[in-house]
Amino acid sequence: AQSVSQHNHHVILSEAASLELGCNYSYGGTVNLFWYVQYPGQHLQLLLKYFSGDPLVKGIKGFEAEFIKSKFSFNLRKPSVQWSDTAEYFCAPPQTGGFKTIFGAGTRLFVKA
Amino acid sequence: KAGVTQTPRYLIKTRGQQVTLSCSPISGHRSVSWYQQTPGQGLQFLFEYFSETQRNKGNFPGRFSGRQFSNSRSEMNVSTLELGDSALYLCASSQDRGSTDTQYFGPGTRLTVL
Repeated sequence: AQSVSQHNHHVILSEAASLELGCNYSYGGTVNLFWYVQYPGQHLQLLLKYFSGDPLVKGIKGFEAEFIKSKFSFNLRKPSVQWSDTAEYFCAPPQTGGFKTIFGAGTRLFVKA
Repeated sequence: KAGVTQTPRYLIKTRGQQVTLSCSPISGHRSVSWYQQTPGQGLQFLFEYFSETQRNKGNFPGRFSGRQFSNSRSEMNVSTLELGDSALYLCASSQDRGSTDTQYFGPGTRLTVL
């Protein structure tokens, strides 16, 4: 069965620290990968997505993610976090079986000012 | 364009009752998906509708059902509520729900079952 694993459930960083959130998935077919973010009190929204081409994808607010096919990973990165990046981040790996979306368990990021 | 709207935003029910939640997708979007979000289980897929047809269903009991109308608006129904049904129910719409489509989420309906 399709699965996704987000390694870090809670992350606490100071402003200006670098961020990397892990996401591993199990699937061997066509790869379409997403990261969504939920800021406190706001809707879940798309952060970035990868379909094909350059495996390094840039999203909103300075976030990027790298697709590494050999490792089945799609880790999210940001060189320097800000207090406003405090949010919950969800990895959503390939969708199969008729449009059934699987989300990771989420990572709660808290950035200290 | 107006975003995805969900009504009501908050709901309190007691065990055994039933509840209906409503979702209006972004204009032009034909696909609507429903999710249950809880602290312990995260985001779990309930079902997805496209052009009034259920295209896929998650692993939830039959007490959870849904439908979609010709204007793409969708409703979700939960019968015989249990305490464990307390959650944030999210609706998401997308244009055609292909594997590359972005889902646009509503604010959710917070359901509390007493």
